[in-house]
Amino acid sequence: QVQLVESGGGVVQPGRSLRLSCAASGFTFSNYGIHWVRQAPGKGLEWVAVITYDGSNKYYPDSVKGRFTISRDNSKNTLYLQMNSLRAEDAAVYYCAKDALPGTLTPDEPSDWGQGTLVTVSS
Amino acid sequence: DIQMTQSPSAVSASVGDRVTITCRASQGISNYLAWFQQKPGKVPKRLIYAASSLQSGVPSRFSGSGSGTEFTLTISSLQPEDFATYYCLQHNIYPLTFGQGTRLEIK
Repeated sequence: QVQLVESGGGVVQPGRSLRLSCAASGFTFSNYGIHWVRQAPGKGLEWVAVITYDGSNKYYPDSVKGRFTISRDNSKNTLYLQMNSLRAEDAAVYYCAKDALPGTLTPDEPSDWGQGTLVTVSS
Repeated sequence: DIQMTQSPSAVSASVGDRVTITCRASQGISNYLAWFQQKPGKVPKRLIYAASSLQSGVPSRFSGSGSGTEFTLTISSLQPEDFATYYCLQHNIYPLTFGQGTRLEIK
């Protein structure tokens, strides 16, 4: 079955960097776009980034654009999120989630989610 | 960006009640809308996709409808396990945007 396991979360000071990873199994990773979605403590869901199945396209909301970079290594079935210039408002649980449909270059919704990794931004 | 507005933000209901949650998009999104359920401390779970298609394994008391800018999620007869927070998500254009959530509480 689909399994997505996030790692790399932790406590980081404002202005510093952190890289999250998401290890995938149970499906053909290279066929699916993958998202990052975050949830601040006690708050709602916020979409953070997506990378298409082939890595050719990446999209971000304005809140993280220019600071966060999504990437993937299809040979390792792994997704990454490089987070730079972290702010207090970036503190959240970060989930990776796969597209519902394979091979799409148009927007698709995340259907299967990992358990998340917690990022705390504090001095 | 497309704004997704859910109403109500919270609702109290009893087991057996029928509940409807509404999600409005700031511009037309066709049927590119999904509904998610999230229980405290748990991962969001997709219930409905393409506005009205039921995810496999989801009980038939859940249904979705709508197109364009107005969408609804209906639970026909609430069960104890349905008390959770529900989110809509548009995936018509980037950035994807969620509604702010509707907390369904036990009366």
